Amino acid sequence: GAVVSQHPSRVICKSGTSVKIECRSLDFQATTMFWYRQFPKQSLMLMATSNEGSKATYEQGVEKDKFLINHASLTLSTLTVTSAHPEDSSFYICSAGRQGQTQYFGPGTRLLVL
Amino acid sequence: AQTVTQSQPEMSVQEAETVTLSCTYDTSESDYYLFWYKQPPSRQMILVIRQEAYKQQNATENRFSVNFQKAAKSFSLKISDSQLGDAAMYFCAYKGAQKLVFGQGTRLTINP
Repeated sequence: GAVVSQHPSRVICKSGTSVKIECRSLDFQATTMFWYRQFPKQSLMLMATSNEGSKATYEQGVEKDKFLINHASLTLSTLTVTSAHPEDSSFYICSAGRQGQTQYFGPGTRLLVL
Repeated sequence: AQTVTQSQPEMSVQEAETVTLSCTYDTSESDYYLFWYKQPPSRQMILVIRQEAYKQQNATENRFSVNFQKAAKSFSLKISDSQLGDAAMYFCAYKGAQKLVFGQGTRLTINP
């Protein structure tokens, strides 16, 4: 149990376009999901906490209008990178909480903005 | 704010040998959880082991075990009988009342 999926696994887009990434908890319900960004050879950086039925909580320095988060149901959260630019190219990972404090992670999405 | 420190950027071990990865943390909370996650080249974050702070007994999961020293705020991971598939980045993480906090990671190489 505790499987989290992410789609797409890889996306290439043109500068100025928007990209949506989906995160699903496949075998459990998650009232809270998390979105991280990871640069090469670095640790994970929390971007925002996604709460089902309410607004996401963003970490300091993360633009909420650029990184739109929607937690539509207990099994689905989406991250939309709006008007993407090359500096937004990165590896984005979601996670969902279960068993109290344990987070289970999706396989990640590699975004390349040309 | 809580911090997690992994002082070993890289470690290597001979296949079938034992290796210990270090992790220290700083917190004023009394109730929290500690985790070790593994990130292989696929970049999928995999939970290796978790420890509840209120439990004195060290957690174990097959070849993986921890040495949890609460007073010293230390949480090391021991991998016994290392296998080639253990090669990965290992992240120590802390979870209290706030967000999950990660260490910088340790890259583990297994030498055949």
